[in-house]
Amino acid sequence: AQTVTQSQPEMSVQEAETVTLSCTYDTSESDYYLFWYKQPPSRQMILVIRQEAYKQQNATENRFSVNFQKAAKSFSLKISDSQLGDAAMYFCAYRTDLNRKLIWGLGTSLAVNP
Amino acid sequence: NAGVTQTPKFQVLKTGQSMTLQCAQDMNHNSMYWYRQDPGMGLRLIYYSASEGTTDKGEVPNGYNVSRLNKREFSLRLESAAPSQTSVYFCASSEAAGIVMKTQYFGPGTRLLVL
Repeated sequence: AQTVTQSQPEMSVQEAETVTLSCTYDTSESDYYLFWYKQPPSRQMILVIRQEAYKQQNATENRFSVNFQKAAKSFSLKISDSQLGDAAMYFCAYRTDLNRKLIWGLGTSLAVNP
Repeated sequence: NAGVTQTPKFQVLKTGQSMTLQCAQDMNHNSMYWYRQDPGMGLRLIYYSASEGTTDKGEVPNGYNVSRLNKREFSLRLESAAPSQTSVYFCASSEAAGIVMKTQYFGPGTRLLVL
């Protein structure tokens, strides 16, 4: 069965600094997709970044980038130049095309200190 | 283009009462989902609908029913609410699975308190 593990329940970073959130997953599939979602205090889930497993190039969206290590089944999120608005819960998620269900990690709570 | 909308935003029920959570999306997505989110448990899938006219159970379907009324709307019904159903409920939608990866888009959530 596929699982997603986020080993850091809480993280903190100073404003303008860089932070990396960890995510590992377990799967026997070769084709799959990985996501990072952000959930601010408003509770709404917001897509941050996504990665297709068949792509070797790491995805980047402005200040957000991933380090995708397929062999190690690792998918970490790097936030550069952290801003106060980045404070939120961050969830890592996995899915295949065999079904449309996402498998979720338990989340990492990120605090940004001014 | 409102995306995914949910009503109500907040609801208090007494044990045994029933209610329906409404969800609608205007993105012409085929697939829709209902999740619950509890502290320390992450997001858990209750039911999903891969396409109009179909529904399937997720991880935690007991105590819930769903209706895919049409392509836009996917409702979640609690027939006899229990305190264990106190949670935040999220509706999400996505285009059909295929070669191009599809993202799930979430609604703002409904906070439900069952006394």
